[in-house]
Amino acid sequence: EVQLVESGGGLVNPGGSLRLSCVASGFTFSSVWMSWVRQAPGMGLVWVGRVNRKIDGGTTDYAAPVKDRFTISRDDSKNTLFLQMDSLKIEDTAIYYCTAGLGKTEIDFWGQGTLVTVSS
Amino acid sequence: DIVMTQSPDSLAVSLGERATINCKSSQSVLYSSDNKNYLAWYQHKPGQPPQLLIYWASTRESGVPDRFSGSASGTDFTLTISSLQAEDVAVYYCHQYYSSPLTFGGGTKVEIK
Repeated sequence: EVQLVESGGGLVNPGGSLRLSCVASGFTFSSVWMSWVRQAPGMGLVWVGRVNRKIDGGTTDYAAPVKDRFTISRDDSKNTLFLQMDSLKIEDTAIYYCTAGLGKTEIDFWGQGTLVTVSS
Repeated sequence: DIVMTQSPDSLAVSLGERATINCKSSQSVLYSSDNKNYLAWYQHKPGQPPQLLIYWASTRESGVPDRFSGSASGTDFTLTISSLQAEDVAVYYCHQYYSSPLTFGGGTKVEIK
């Protein structure tokens, strides 16, 4: 059974940092592209960024609002995806979903999400 | 960036009736090398993560009821629920995975009339 379990969300002050983790199981983690998608309260889905497979270069790609503040990385030995969030802004408040591209699209399966609240 | 425009924002349909959701991309998401539209539909119920319904614009994901169907005409895409059931109440999103940044439509909330 495919599972993505996020952790690390919480309350943080503006300007602060937070690191989200996503542990994957039920598929070969190293073989898939992984993305983060967020949903602000009452709003729609917004792609945050992605990391491709090591064999594809392990390169990352980000949405403009988070570029230069957020960093996505992966540890294939631990089946874990990370999202390092720095210089957080109030508008980064959202549920953050870890997603996996399992062969159909880049975003086939979603974790349950973890809530990040940026507030003073 | 490819902008995905969904309509309507919300719709209320009677049980057993048809629901139709539209999505328009600001540019083609058809990849010429495989002749596939890189367009997906997701269902998002409150308190749950989104679930993939349709990919390649018209291919139903495994386990998705056949009352859900997708179609494409150029840059216009449609998700149809042929006979609305109570469990279909949700927000539906279209999504293009043709090019980065990946983008989603604004969502369509489907309710029971």
